[in-house]
Amino acid sequence: GNSVTQMEGPVTLSEEAFLTINCTYTATGYPSLFWYVQYPGEGLQLLLKATKADDKGSNKGFEATYRKETTSFHLEKGSVQVSDSAVYFCALSEDSNYQLIWGAGTKLIIKP
Amino acid sequence: DSGVTQTPKHLITATGQRVTLRCSPRSGDLSVYWYQQSLDQGLQFLIQYYNGEERAKGNILERFSAQQFPDLHSELNLSSLELGDSALYFCASSVAVGQGAKNIQYFGAGTRLSVL
Repeated sequence: GNSVTQMEGPVTLSEEAFLTINCTYTATGYPSLFWYVQYPGEGLQLLLKATKADDKGSNKGFEATYRKETTSFHLEKGSVQVSDSAVYFCALSEDSNYQLIWGAGTKLIIKP
Repeated sequence: DSGVTQTPKHLITATGQRVTLRCSPRSGDLSVYWYQQSLDQGLQFLIQYYNGEERAKGNILERFSAQQFPDLHSELNLSSLELGDSALYFCASSVAVGQGAKNIQYFGAGTRLSVL
């Protein structure tokens, strides 16, 4: 079945450091891929998405590229801020399926 | 603000009891999804409704049920509650059903259920 695997957290970085959170997936078809972010005490917000191979999603300085050959969708940011501290979820959705399949989430802690 | 409203924010109850969680979707959204987020099982899809009809079922227990009303708000009913049902329950809404990335889901802030 479909699944999403994320790197375990927490990931702790200093402000202005480079961020990578790894995400790989298993899917039978050609899924769309998403990163959602959950700030403390809040619901999930869509951060970025990509719908087909080689697409790059970007938002708020974050980027992720849909890599079909490695079945990956790693999240990157060149210079993190304390305000980026949150839990990040990778997810996939197939057109034939209505639900989102989620990774376990990666907690990111940014220290000033 | 996502436009999805969930009530109540917190719920504390005892084992064996029954509770109802409520969700109002974004204006114009026809699809409502329910998710459970717990420490041991992460985020799990429970059930989806589209324009009043059940569309997809995930890992929803038989003790749980949901419905979507004509005004499109939805309720998740949890009965015979157990300690393990303590979790954060999220509702999400979207414009359409399916269609992959065109079907962006917008989440409410969640209802935190504590079963004592």
